[in-house]
Amino acid sequence: QITLKESGPTLVKPTQTLTLTCTFSGFSLSTSGVGVGWIRQPPGKALEWLALIYWDDDKRYSPSLKSRLTITKDTSKNQVVLTMTNMDPVDTATYYCAHRRGIDYPVGYWGQGTLVTVSS
Amino acid sequence: AIRMTQSPSSFSASTGDRVTITCRASQGISSYLAWYQQKPGKAPKLLIYAASTLQSGVPSRFSGSGSGTDFTLTISCLQSEDFATYYCQQYYSYPWTFGPGTKVDIK
Repeated sequence: QITLKESGPTLVKPTQTLTLTCTFSGFSLSTSGVGVGWIRQPPGKALEWLALIYWDDDKRYSPSLKSRLTITKDTSKNQVVLTMTNMDPVDTATYYCAHRRGIDYPVGYWGQGTLVTVSS
Repeated sequence: AIRMTQSPSSFSASTGDRVTITCRASQGISSYLAWYQQKPGKAPKLLIYAASTLQSGVPSRFSGSGSGTDFTLTISCLQSEDFATYYCQQYYSYPWTFGPGTKVDIK
């Protein structure tokens, strides 16, 4: 059974750096083709894809946020970490991590999400 | 980036109705199209991928069709648990992009 869970601060101040951790079970990020991604959703708005990291450490980022994002993995801990620098109130959103089983699939299993509010 | 549009943005329907939601991509995406269902306060749930393949465990009243730029999600007989917001998403190329969503509520 695949599960993912996001963790991190619920409140950050403007200009601070956000660090979110996705802890997963039921799969290995060393299995060929597998990836873990991050998607966010501002309150009442649509979903926005942020980043993906693959089993071979290939990384993909949203071009509009690329300069602010870093995604890394710790295969031994079954964790993926997303950092976002220079946080702004418009970054207030629920942040989800999700599992991708292979190149021909979208993300299928999602975490429950974590709401991050950016406010002074 | 590929832009995804959906229509309608929202509508009201009754239990038992057949409903269709359309999704259009700004350029061809072959069949790399997914549909998600999201209920308030919950994570999105994958319903369909590869435009028409039903995710395991999803009821057969859901179906998808299309390729290239035009896609549809059909719910053959709307059930009470189907009232939700539906998103399409292309995974043909990066950056992945989602449609703005279609909210289905009770008439």
